[in-house]
Amino acid sequence: EIVMTQSPATLSVSPGGRVTLSCRASQSVNNKLAWYQQKPGQAPRLLIYHASTRATGIAARFSGSGSGTDFTLTISSLQSEDFAVYYCQQYNNWPPYTFGQGTKLEIK
Amino acid sequence: QLQLQESGPGLVKPSGTLSLTCTVSGDSISSISYYWGWIRQPPGKGLEWIANVYYGGNANYNPSLKSRVTISADTSKNQFSLNLASVTAADTAVYYCVREWRLEAGHVFDVWGQGAMVTVSS
Repeated sequence: EIVMTQSPATLSVSPGGRVTLSCRASQSVNNKLAWYQQKPGQAPRLLIYHASTRATGIAARFSGSGSGTDFTLTISSLQSEDFAVYYCQQYNNWPPYTFGQGTKLEIK
Repeated sequence: QLQLQESGPGLVKPSGTLSLTCTVSGDSISSISYYWGWIRQPPGKGLEWIANVYYGGNANYNPSLKSRVTISADTSKNQFSLNLASVTAADTAVYYCVREWRLEAGHVFDVWGQGAMVTVSS
């Protein structure tokens, strides 16, 4: 099973700022990496797949990069609605699909 | 518009079987582009993929749960279902049904139900 590790666990950022979240895989997942956003009381929402491709309807301020074992999600010009928990997920080796433990983005 | 809706008991006794059904509207589960799956999230914790099923019946399971899980699809009702046997308090979670979009190597979860909270308690 591939273990996904996200850092940091919590990130405090001011609205309007830029933030980078990290995700590391225990072995190469090529570019088979997705990012999800989850707000309190809601289901997760797909943001990014293939490490850098935005899903339908996702704002351009969300961007992903990386390949192999190290990946990042960058959010430029943070909006109030972006404060949430973000999860990465690998889909290169399955079953099982595996997720990181999440990074909580909170308002500073 | 595609919608997924979980249904089933919110309370299950220890050692019992958790049974959930996901009703899909706005799309057919017979689509060749998608699998249909279940993901759970214990309170305050992260996401765990449980299993998926293709309309033809092919199913895949998380090895950690495989001995206790059964997933099935009913194309006539446009539904798919999850059974989890021998439950304990550790199975208490929000259970999401999801559409799994088939990409070339694996799947991503592009549509989610609202989630069903299931508590295991006597």
